[in-house]
Amino acid sequence: SAVISQKPSRDICQRGTSLTIQCQVDSQVTMMFWYRQQPGQSLTLIATANQGSEATYESGFVIDKFPISRPNLTFSTLTVSNMSPEDSSIYLCSVVQTNEKLFFGSGTQLSVL
Amino acid sequence: SQKIEQNSEALNIQEGKTATLTCNYTNYSPAYLQWYRQDPGRGPVFLLLIRENEKEKRKERLKVTFDTTLKQSLFHITASQPADSATYLCALDPNNAGNMLTFGGGTRLMVKP
Repeated sequence: SAVISQKPSRDICQRGTSLTIQCQVDSQVTMMFWYRQQPGQSLTLIATANQGSEATYESGFVIDKFPISRPNLTFSTLTVSNMSPEDSSIYLCSVVQTNEKLFFGSGTQLSVL
Repeated sequence: SQKIEQNSEALNIQEGKTATLTCNYTNYSPAYLQWYRQDPGRGPVFLLLIRENEKEKRKERLKVTFDTTLKQSLFHITASQPADSATYLCALDPNNAGNMLTFGGGTRLMVKP
């Protein structure tokens, strides 16, 4: 199973600022996924990050707000830009390995004041 | 529209009883369905995957059924323990591509000693 390290684990940010979340995997993976989990809600896919190409965003999410980098097969970053209180959520990165299972990082708890 | 529905109300049961959680979906034709466990402050952890040609799958005290006619999966925990208390999420691959997942809203299970 993949081991995923995500940081920071939590942060409190001011409105209008940006936060970059890092995700490191202990093995090479083709696809990495970024999910958001708003308070009391389930997971919503933000985007799929592929190495060497632009990320694919789901409906309701745009690159200007959530720019993603994928410089190699073990690392990705998600930036939450120009934050507002509505961006307060848990952000999770995940990867899929054999047999379609997803492995998740422990998440980044973001609070925007 | 496409939906994955789980009972949003918490399920409270007594230790030793069997917990049964329900996942219903509409306007999907998944080749498989997955169940995850999520503890507070953590990312989801994979539990079981069941394919469309499998009626039932077991793993220790866990059992999952998959009825493609009813478009429903049931998740059972037998001989439940307080340590089983968590939120349980069902998920399916909307494109049957073996990668990204769409999640239900989750059901919180509380097992009382």
